[in-house]
This record gives sequence, C-alpha cells and structure tokens, in this order.
Amino acid sequence: DQQVKQNSPSLSVQEGRISILNCDYTNSMFDYFLWYKKYPAEGPTFLISISSIKDKNEDGRFTVFLNKSAKHLSLHIVPSQPGDSAVYFCAASALTYGQNFVFGPGTRLSVLP
Amino acid sequence: EAGVAQSPRYKIIEKRQSVAFWCNPISGHATLYWYQQILGQGPKLLIQFQNNGVVDDSQLPKDRFSAERLKGVDSTLKIQPAKLEDSAVYLCASSRTAYEQYFGPGTRLTVT
Repeated sequence: DQQVKQNSPSLSVQEGRISILNCDYTNSMFDYFLWYKKYPAEGPTFLISISSIKDKNEDGRFTVFLNKSAKHLSLHIVPSQPGDSAVYFCAASALTYGQNFVFGPGTRLSVLP
Repeated sequence: EAGVAQSPRYKIIEKRQSVAFWCNPISGHATLYWYQQILGQGPKLLIQFQNNGVVDDSQLPKDRFSAERLKGVDSTLKIQPAKLEDSAVYLCASSRTAYEQYFGPGTRLTVT
C-alpha cells in the first residue's frame, strides 16, 4: 500500500519554463513533508520542506504548495535550469506521532536547453 | 562540515554470500538511518538508531539483515546470506532533528 505517490515517473521541461512536480498521499495523519533531489550516483539532497500548518513555502526558485483537503502537494521550480535535471522524491511523515518519513517513488525531471 | 560517508560505493557478490556496509554520520548527529532503495522506487527505511539504541527496525528483514551502531557514531549494516532481491542501493542518513535528514552517497549492491 503506497502511502506516498508520485504518479509521473518522468517530466521534460524547456529551460526557463516552470517545472511542476506532483505528490499525493493517503495518510491524513501526515503533518510534515520534504522534497529531495537526487543526482545519479549521489545520495538524495534536501531541497525544501513544508509543515501542514502552512499551504506554501518558498525558497528561491523552489516553491512547495500543500493542499491538505486534497492530500496533494506540488513542487514548482521557476525558472527551470539544466542543472535541475535529477530525480525528485517527495517524503511525508506524521512527525507529531513520532513516525518516520515515507518516500514516494520519485519523478525524473529533464530540463532541456 | 563533512557529509555522511559510506563505503564501499559498489559491491558485487553471489547469492548466499555475506556483505557489510559501513556508515560514518555527520559529526554531532545523534540519529542514524539505513535505507534500501530498489531501482525505480523511493528509499525504504530499514532501521533507525538514536545514539546507539534502535528506535525503529520494523521493516528490517531480521532473518538476514543486522545492523549495529557502536559507541553511537559509526554504523554497519550486514546481509547474511544475500538473496537476488537484495540488489539495491543502501543509503545511510543522519540527522540532528526530526525535520530533515542528510544522506550519504550510498552503496550499490548487486547480487548475482
């Protein structure tokens, strides 16, 4: 039973345009969410987080939106750059209940020059 | 600040052999995690340590996997005997708080 889903295995975007990566979850107890970026042969790198008390968090070119009623979050990258080409993982946790993070399967983003 | 170190980076073994992975977390990070990432999937938590005590090992296949964290710093993960389905990247992560984790580069294991 996949608690965290990333239904798009891959996404291609033109350089300079917006990239939107989506993540859906099933567990309504999840209250903290992370996005990680992973390059080949490297470990995942933390990108941005959001708590369930917020619906938006922004860090430079990266913005995460959370829609609790839809159990959906999205990562927006504006403008996209070729260096953003990587696999992006969404992770969710019921931190208030001391639970660990559950990761989605990832979306491979390709930013075309 | 040095990142999470893991070795070896790559390992190829035959089924039924044993293998061990080593992890050195970021200095001062009390919590250490071992994840298994199978191709095309997200990382799956195998075991979590807080200092040298186990916090969560509910998804660790205890009949063949074992892990220890001596003195609350370095950790080793062992598989004995290995099966074909153990082929994966084994990631170590450490954290100071519950809000984010820092990952090492991983060990890619191939079981033939």
